[in-house]
Amino acid sequence: GAVVSQHPSRVICKSGTSVKIECRSLDFQATTMFWYRQFPKQSLMLMATSNEGSKATYEQGVEKDKFLINHASLTLSTLTVTSAHPEDSSFYICSARGTGVETQYFGPGTRLLVL
Amino acid sequence: AQSVTQLDSQVPVFEEAPVELRCNYSSSVSVYLFWYVQYPNQGLQLLLKYLSGSTLVKGINGFEAEFNKSQTSFHLRKPSVHISDTAEYFCAVNEGAGNKLTFGGGTRVLVKP
Repeated sequence: GAVVSQHPSRVICKSGTSVKIECRSLDFQATTMFWYRQFPKQSLMLMATSNEGSKATYEQGVEKDKFLINHASLTLSTLTVTSAHPEDSSFYICSARGTGVETQYFGPGTRLLVL
Repeated sequence: AQSVTQLDSQVPVFEEAPVELRCNYSSSVSVYLFWYVQYPNQGLQLLLKYLSGSTLVKGINGFEAEFNKSQTSFHLRKPSVHISDTAEYFCAVNEGAGNKLTFGGGTRVLVKP
């Protein structure tokens, strides 16, 4: 149980375009989902927390207009990187947690390369 | 605010030898503690967690960790490593089920034949 998927696993896009990444909880209802960014050989940096049906809470320094997060259902959250630039290239990982549950379960990650 | 320190950024170890990965945290309240493993180009997989009860926690793949409240530590151990244990290991803490995780910087384990 507690499986989280992400799609796509890898994406290459041109500078200025937008990219959408999906995060799905496959076998549980995820009332809260988290989006992280990870640079090479570094730890995870929390970008935002989203609760189903409400606006995401962004961490300090994360541009909410650039990284749009939608959590419209209990099994799906999306992260859209708008007007992507090469500096947005990174490994993006989502995690999901059920109501009253203390454990986050992580997706396999999405590697974004902006040319 | 909580913080997590993983004292070793890299740990080389020979196959079948024991390994210990150190994790210390700071928090003013009771915490939940986690160890995750990340294989190259993959997400994080939960190894084990401490929520309450016995301070010795056993996880998957032969790993175990011991919570020491007085030392504010949660060190991870495995008595005999395999080549397949080569990965990045992250210690993480949260201050309650409704709160976000704080991660340590990670420890890269390289198992040598």
